[in-house]
Amino acid sequence: EAGVAQSPRYKIIEKRQSVAFWCNPISGHATLYWYQQILGQGPKLLIQFQNNGVVDDSQLPKDRFSAERLKGVDSTLKIQPAKLEDSAVYLCASSLDGGGTPYEQYFGPGTRLTVT
Amino acid sequence: GDSVTQMEGPVTLSEEACLTINCTYTATGYPSLFWYVQYPGEGLQLLLKATKADDKGSNKGFEATYRKETTSFHLEKGSVQVSDSAVYFCALSTGNQFYFGTGTSLTVIP
Repeated sequence: EAGVAQSPRYKIIEKRQSVAFWCNPISGHATLYWYQQILGQGPKLLIQFQNNGVVDDSQLPKDRFSAERLKGVDSTLKIQPAKLEDSAVYLCASSLDGGGTPYEQYFGPGTRLTVT
Repeated sequence: GDSVTQMEGPVTLSEEACLTINCTYTATGYPSLFWYVQYPGEGLQLLLKATKADDKGSNKGFEATYRKETTSFHLEKGSVQVSDSAVYFCALSTGNQFYFGTGTSLTVIP
């Protein structure tokens, strides 16, 4: 089966510009996650969707970050305006069900964002 | 809050050496525990998991046992290969929430 797809793989922007990332999860996976992984750190959950509803966005900086998952399939994560500290790898993951039972998350290759 | 602490790297080993990467956790409930691996230029992949106390997860020669009494989930392998060079992440899940450790970089030299 096809894995989690993400694009672009790399992006370089100047601070105060905007940027968008796209993710297409594995077919049939109800739950989709966006993580931020800063160099030398573990992934940090930004937002979790189940189908097209938000389950958890407590760590999403809502003044500049937004995400949507239209029709419960693919998703976009946007940063506007970007700051230097947003330089990181943005990972998308999906799983069959996030409803409280042990589950495996499948990760995409990530988008490496550099803000200059 | 819930969290994971894993040993800092980087770790450099010779081929066929034994590997242990320590991981301890703090959780209010009964978490599931995971080890993920990230090979250079690739996304994270699940290596193994354990869902309850005393469970042992294993895959590709790696093992980890869920120890509730010591709140640990150490990753072990008896004989590492060059192809095991990667970053290893310990993680826990308490239902909807997922927490990752900071990662341990392993380099295996021939």
